[in-house]
Amino acid sequence: AQTVTQSQPEMSVQEAETVTLSCTYDTSESDYYLFWYKQPPSRQMILVIRQEAYKQQNATENRFSVNFQKAAKSFSLKISDSQLGDAAMYFCAYDSNYQLIWGAGTKLIIKP
Amino acid sequence: DSGVTQTPKHLITATGQRVTLRCSPRSGDLSVYWYQQSLDQGLQFLIQYYNGEERAKGNILERFSAQQFPDLHSELNLSSLELGDSALYFCASSASGNIQYFGAGTRLSVL
Repeated sequence: AQTVTQSQPEMSVQEAETVTLSCTYDTSESDYYLFWYKQPPSRQMILVIRQEAYKQQNATENRFSVNFQKAAKSFSLKISDSQLGDAAMYFCAYDSNYQLIWGAGTKLIIKP
Repeated sequence: DSGVTQTPKHLITATGQRVTLRCSPRSGDLSVYWYQQSLDQGLQFLIQYYNGEERAKGNILERFSAQQFPDLHSELNLSSLELGDSALYFCASSASGNIQYFGAGTRLSVL
């Protein structure tokens, strides 16, 4: 069965600096999707970025980018120029036949 | 705003009771998903419907059931409620692709 692991329960970063959140997963499939979702205090789940496994190029969305290492089954999220509004829980998720399998989340704290 | 509407936002009830959570997907989305998020944990997939038919089932208890109606809205029914059922319940919808858009959730408190 597929599993998703986020080994960092909490991370903190100084405003305007860069932080990387880690995610590893386990699967025997060759074609799949990976996601990062953000959950601010409002509890809304917001899609941050998506990566298609068959694409070599790492996905980028403005200040958010991923480092996708397929062989290592690693999918980290880099947030550049961190802003106070980035403070939230960040969840990594794996798409398994349209079911999302979720990591336990990383709480990101932004220090002003 | 994701376009997915969940009602009610909050629900407080007692053990042993039954409640119904409602979800209206984004316009045109045929798939609806239900997830449960217990306090400060990741989400657990419960069930998926596609155009009225059950497509996938996850860790959904027998006390829970769901359906998707012809107008594509979905309801999640939770019965014989226990204290441990207190959680945030999310609905998500998607079109033919696999990006799921989430509603704001229903917070269920079982006292």
